[in-house]
Amino acid sequence: DADVTQTPRNRITKTGKRIMLECSQTKGHDRMYWYRQDPGLGLRLIYYSFDVKDINKGEISDGYSVSRQAQAKFSLSLESAIPNQTALYFCATSDRTGTAGKETQYFGPGTRLLVL
Amino acid sequence: AQKITQTQPGMFVQEKEAVTLDCTYDTSDPSYGLFWYKQPSSGEMIFLIYQGSYDQQNATEGRYSLNFQKARKSANLVISASQLGDSAMYFCAIARAGGTSYGKLTFGQGTILTVHP
Repeated sequence: DADVTQTPRNRITKTGKRIMLECSQTKGHDRMYWYRQDPGLGLRLIYYSFDVKDINKGEISDGYSVSRQAQAKFSLSLESAIPNQTALYFCATSDRTGTAGKETQYFGPGTRLLVL
Repeated sequence: AQKITQTQPGMFVQEKEAVTLDCTYDTSDPSYGLFWYKQPSSGEMIFLIYQGSYDQQNATEGRYSLNFQKARKSANLVISASQLGDSAMYFCAIARAGGTSYGKLTFGQGTILTVHP
């Protein structure tokens, strides 16, 4: 079984709808992240959480919200979807290894979202 | 702020040859980590290799090695003996190693590598 899972894997929705993307991990990591990837661009950080009570905005958080329900679960919500939120969304996890800067992030398979 | 620049939108290599994918970075942090990820056409992100800013030796992982030149702020990925399965998008990323936001990754735009038989 995959260590980091994302549901759904594909989603089509309409402008104005609220949707939630879910991420679960069995790696036991404290840290979780949400990224989006647009064609021709690298990944950009939306939100990140270093533990259940610590949630922080990334570089492109407008239009998104998150919930860290447990150590293993981190959900991303689009409150009112718009077409330019069409993208590939990734969840990632990392563990504080004790070596600063060496917190390798492990990614889920991604969710392809299309907003019509 | 940190920045990654990957200047090669696309690269081609013959099977069994070596290829170098360029990555330059900009950071004011004294301590940081550099990462390379592979993204095949199926879309998943696969971690390849890590280099710490204070590591004395260049990182190696199997056929992957990192040509780290700190003074030039470059961290090029070298893939030896290319295989058809190496065809993918490759991303370079940097994470700061201190402060309140350590661990966050900043990605470059990626390089598409195509391996020809």
